[in-house]
Amino acid sequence: DAKTTQPPSMDCAEGRAANLPCNHSTISGNEYVYWYRQIHSQGPQYIIHGLKNNETNEMASLIITEDRKSSTLILPHATLRDTAVYYCIVRVESASNTGKLIFGQGTTLQVKP
Amino acid sequence: DTGVSQNPRHKITKRGQNVTFRCDPISEHNRLYWYRQTLGQGPEFLTYFQNEAQLEKSRLLSDRFSAERPKGSFSTLEIQRTEQGDSAMYLCASSSTTGRGGYTFGSGTRLTVV
Repeated sequence: DAKTTQPPSMDCAEGRAANLPCNHSTISGNEYVYWYRQIHSQGPQYIIHGLKNNETNEMASLIITEDRKSSTLILPHATLRDTAVYYCIVRVESASNTGKLIFGQGTTLQVKP
Repeated sequence: DTGVSQNPRHKITKRGQNVTFRCDPISEHNRLYWYRQTLGQGPEFLTYFQNEAQLEKSRLLSDRFSAERPKGSFSTLEIQRTEQGDSAMYLCASSSTTGRGGYTFGSGTRLTVV
């Protein structure tokens, strides 16, 4: 079973920031938080990941709470092309671990004009 | 190398027929995964290869399913005696040894069993 909880759906106005929450209250110390998104009829796309510190890349920012029990993915200026299902996943990064991803239901983000 | 390639993109087959899908991962990635996704659900893990060794199989992978990765390069997923319940999107992903930086997924093969 997935170790994360996300709201099933959210709306965001085009050009505004989209803030997608995720709860992972049972996260272990060696588990990273990963975010993927899936646009209709495509494979999931990696967005960002982090362990403890906040992270930012060209796509998004990831804010992880100090206790690591929750996180927020921020799309700073959402566009219509950001309409997708967003998955929050926790996993161990290790050469000795399979590293499989356990997907939940994700959050369907609808960006509206 | 433009990413993970999956073929065919779509497959329609009659119940009881065998089908085979192919996945070509990113060349330097030694880890390869197969997932299945049904409508409205997140992808579900099926199996994992490190190089040519199949190291984990989900209980979702019934006896009718077999996966191979000869020589640690491309991989095939075969479904024998297909059933309507096998209709789904079959996704392949690859990653480096630790998976750091995330997987790269292919666009998937959509199977429809009629």
